[in-house]
Amino acid sequence: NAGVTQTPKFRVLKTGQSMTLLCAQDMNHEYMYWYRQDPGMGLRLIHYSVGEGTTAKGEVPDGYNVSRLKKQNFLLGLESAAPSQTSVYFCASSSTLTGGINQPQHFGDGTRLSIL
Amino acid sequence: KNEVEQSPQNLTAQEGEFITINCSYSVGISALHWLQQHPGGGIVSLFMLSSGKKKHGRLIATINIQEKHSSLHITASHPRDSAVYICAVRGFGNEKLTFGTGTRLTIIP
Repeated sequence: NAGVTQTPKFRVLKTGQSMTLLCAQDMNHEYMYWYRQDPGMGLRLIHYSVGEGTTAKGEVPDGYNVSRLKKQNFLLGLESAAPSQTSVYFCASSSTLTGGINQPQHFGDGTRLSIL
Repeated sequence: KNEVEQSPQNLTAQEGEFITINCSYSVGISALHWLQQHPGGGIVSLFMLSSGKKKHGRLIATINIQEKHSSLHITASHPRDSAVYICAVRGFGNEKLTFGTGTRLTIIP
């Protein structure tokens, strides 16, 4: 039972390079999220999706783009990487809020990204 | 000011001690989550609660909605409990969580 899988686990980029982080979930969840985690700060939401074909901006969306072409996949893109984007990135998913009842988020293991 | 404040930021205790981690928040919420992040980095959801108290093994989570405060307790702490514990809240009608900065717990054998 894989849950939420992130690839790659580690990556080093040079400033200006581009890359895509992939998140895949096998739980048929509607909601998917991309967060970044920086020292001394809580997880911050970059972008999220409430269903296939939909995306929305979170707290810190600048410099990132996302796509949700398939329900099980949520891609995070960096078009022109900057040192300020050095961080650990987490993907999460959750099922739809049902009857007002909150559902827990399931997290991937994270991607450690360094921008030189 | 962060909407979610955790205390303490760091906590070191001896094996067997009773542990309390606190979380205060400033907005009305529909639910509060406690998560655990292991040294390897993985994040696991421990509890989700909107009132009262929940218990799972040696872990107990309580919430006081009126006081906008939650506590996570660990009884008979063990070195394998060493991790960062994160509090997060969800506002009403909101798909998003707001996270605290976490409490780093170290249990010494």
